[in-house]
Amino acid sequence: GAVVSQHPSRVICKSGTSVKIECRSLDFQATTMFWYRQFPKQSLMLMATSNEGSKATYEQGVEKDKFLINHASLTLSTLTVTSAHPEDSSFYICSAPITGGPVDTQYFGPGTRLTVL
Amino acid sequence: GENVEQHPSTLSVQEGDSAVIKCTYSDSASNYFPWYKQELGKGPQLIIDIRSNVGEKKDQRIAVTLNKTAKHFSLHITETQPEDSAVYFCAASQAGTALIFGKGTTLSVSS
Repeated sequence: GAVVSQHPSRVICKSGTSVKIECRSLDFQATTMFWYRQFPKQSLMLMATSNEGSKATYEQGVEKDKFLINHASLTLSTLTVTSAHPEDSSFYICSAPITGGPVDTQYFGPGTRLTVL
Repeated sequence: GENVEQHPSTLSVQEGDSAVIKCTYSDSASNYFPWYKQELGKGPQLIIDIRSNVGEKKDQRIAVTLNKTAKHFSLHITETQPEDSAVYFCAASQAGTALIFGKGTTLSVSS
């Protein structure tokens, strides 16, 4: 199947610092990517939709100034957690859809474990 | 917006038995229903999906059924193996939109 990569796989940072997470589609182009957050033993919650060449759209309750999304190319979207705090510690996962059929098939990256001390 | 309910939250079976996980959705406009398997510390892996123009799809030991009228779909795993143990998520979406996930089912297969 299609491959979506994320980097880094895990990161530990001090409170107040910013962390950038990259999501890449390795063998296909993705004009849209999605960012999810998953707390321990919970489901995936959509944070935002990343659109290549335009602003991201955020879900209700997600602070756009705290979670900066940049989708500068057809294969790369980045999520920057600014001024991270312990409550931002979570598993962040991106997905990218394969288009071309009647319905998109979405593939997920391996996730990034963020721990804020 | 879409809401997806998933049951049961936990499921324990003996190796070789079948496992069934059920989901319901609320938005009749949803037309794509994937199932993902997630192992600890990893991203979700697509195991099977079904689109609204199909009632059933099978891939070896895994099958998914869809009832559009009732707005529910189910995952069936036959001849379960210990390596099937994981968290399974159902999801629903319309074309081009983000997936809305169920809360997940923790499947434990004991040998």
